[in-house]
Amino acid sequence: AQRVTQPEKLLSVFKGAPVELKCNYSYSGSPELFWYVQYSRQRLQLLLRHISRESIKGFTADLNKGETSFHLKKPFAQEEDSAMYYCALIAGNTNAGKSTFGDGTTLTVKP
Amino acid sequence: NAGVTQTPKFQVLKTGQSMTLQCAQDMNHEYMSWYRQDPGMGLRLIHYSVGAGITDQGEVPNGYNVSRSTTEDFPLRLLSAAPSQTSVYFCASSQGGDLAKNIQYFGAGTRLSVL
Repeated sequence: AQRVTQPEKLLSVFKGAPVELKCNYSYSGSPELFWYVQYSRQRLQLLLRHISRESIKGFTADLNKGETSFHLKKPFAQEEDSAMYYCALIAGNTNAGKSTFGDGTTLTVKP
Repeated sequence: NAGVTQTPKFQVLKTGQSMTLQCAQDMNHEYMSWYRQDPGMGLRLIHYSVGAGITDQGEVPNGYNVSRSTTEDFPLRLLSAAPSQTSVYFCASSQGGDLAKNIQYFGAGTRLSVL
């Protein structure tokens, strides 16, 4: 079975500092990977996904199949980035609707 | 556009009571899922559906039933509530069909306490 690991439950950085949220996965096939974010008092929503290879709100994430990682990075953190971040995996297109989530990382960006 | 709507937002039950958590989506999505989130943990899949009339179990299905009579609705039934079912429940939907359509859209959640 697939597994997603987010090793940091809490991460705190100062405004303007770089931030990296780690995500490692175990899955023998080709995974579909996502980062979801939950801001205070808002519902969980997509931040970005690996197949899009785009930058959203200054965040990027690269799939590294050799290291089985999908770390989320931003060069200059902003206070509005403070939120809960979840890495999620879908084990192939036939498993749409069956996401496996990591335990989440709470990011706090201090002024 | 309402997206995914969950009701109720909060619920307190006594052990042994039954109830139904409602979930509706207005995006004509084929895939719908129920997750639970316990403190300090990620979301775990309870049940999911790939279309009307088709449901299957997820990682933690025991104590829960689902049905999918329409594309829009996917209710989750607690048969006999237990304190271990105290959690936050999220419903999600996705279009599916190809890799570009597997983004899940989430409801606001139902916070359930079982005493």
